[in-house]
Amino acid sequence: DSGVTQTPKHLITATGQRVTLRCSPRSGDLSVYWYQQSLDQGLQFLIQYYNGEERAKGNILERFSAQQFPDLHSELNLSSLELGDSALYFCASSVGEGELFFGEGSRLTVL
Amino acid sequence: AQRVTQPEKLLSVFKGAPVELKCNYSYSGSPELFWYVQYSRQRLQLLLRHISRESIKGFTADLNKGETSFHLKKPFAQEEDSAMYYCALNQAGTALIFGKGTTLSVSS
Repeated sequence: DSGVTQTPKHLITATGQRVTLRCSPRSGDLSVYWYQQSLDQGLQFLIQYYNGEERAKGNILERFSAQQFPDLHSELNLSSLELGDSALYFCASSVGEGELFFGEGSRLTVL
Repeated sequence: AQRVTQPEKLLSVFKGAPVELKCNYSYSGSPELFWYVQYSRQRLQLLLRHISRESIKGFTADLNKGETSFHLKKPFAQEEDSAMYYCALNQAGTALIFGKGTTLSVSS
């Protein structure tokens, strides 16, 4: 499958812990986006990277950080986790600023 | 501030009935709007964008700048249209902003 891949698919952890979510964009896509989906807030834009550089920032908490590596994969780091961070985290990629192609998401449960 | 509003969390219709999923936006510039759809157990995917002015799976959406709306319409709903629909706004220089989504349920 040459689409956007995200790992892990599911993650259960405890409050105060730190996790890393990984995303591999579609082949040739330079932009990577991270979104958080929760029941009451819908899809919230967190951050965008383009070819290794941060391009745009949304509602990303200071406890969260991300980066895009030279091979264009991206990681989203979530630290000091709280119950409210439980959500589905989506990664999407695009060639430039065109159509977004989404991964299947990583479901994070904080207990 | 830029915002996308989808006032209905859930829309239930019968097969063959017309469907209208509402979307309103606030944006100071020239908007670029999209509808994305997520079918059960599938990835979120683009349904249509206003600049292409096309009909996809029988759905159309017209940008009304006067009413700042981009409602999604289909004259005759099918059961396979049941899904979550997101309206999205492209901000220049940043990423897509999504509404909270509307679940469309089509029953026979």
